[in-house]
Amino acid sequence: GAGVSQTPSNKVTEKGKYVELRCDPISGHTALYWYRQSLGQGPEFLIYFQGTGAADDSGLPNDRFFAVRPEGSVSTLKIQRTERGDSAVYLCASSLRDGRRVPYGYTFGSGTRLTVV
Amino acid sequence: GDSVTQMEGPVTLSEEAFLTINCTYTATGYPSLFWYVQYPGEGLQLLLKATKADDKGSNKGFEATYRKETTSFHLEKGSVQVSDSAVYFCALSTKGTDKLIFGTGTRLQVFP
Repeated sequence: GAGVSQTPSNKVTEKGKYVELRCDPISGHTALYWYRQSLGQGPEFLIYFQGTGAADDSGLPNDRFFAVRPEGSVSTLKIQRTERGDSAVYLCASSLRDGRRVPYGYTFGSGTRLTVV
Repeated sequence: GDSVTQMEGPVTLSEEAFLTINCTYTATGYPSLFWYVQYPGEGLQLLLKATKADDKGSNKGFEATYRKETTSFHLEKGSVQVSDSAVYFCALSTKGTDKLIFGTGTRLQVFP
């Protein structure tokens, strides 16, 4: 597509419930990233995919968080047993890596605002 | 660990004023440095970047120079417009990784 698409744009869920957040990257972008942005803070890295595999998941806060990208395109971030502290904007980004080890600059989606009540 | 420190906002300016938003970093090795901008209701957009010392990134009248000696990447614009009102994030990426480390953001408000 023309940009990175994230759905839903807003999600309200009850504490303890399971949620899935979807990211549809720019067509042809091999790298996909998830970040979390809490109110008044900068985005914090969660996980990075190169193709179908998670190349770096060091930012996932605990084992309630999991992400997949089974066909190397769309990715889903899954959060189990949600807690109020999970409330944040979840950002997805994609990039066309040009072979160098320096990020070329991401294209971010507009994010999913998750509110856990 | 690696980190980015930005000046706290909001920064409030009149139209056509000079803008500086300070950014300093701590990193092992020689990172790439970025400024991202988030306009109201929109997603993060890359504004400019610099990949090595003394490089100057520029875009839309904004400039930032990679200063290794002072570990800084301050954002400047000679004459701001109301349409520049947004939140600005400084970020770095260390060679060998693909993740960005962001500062906390600085809100710029420009009044006519």
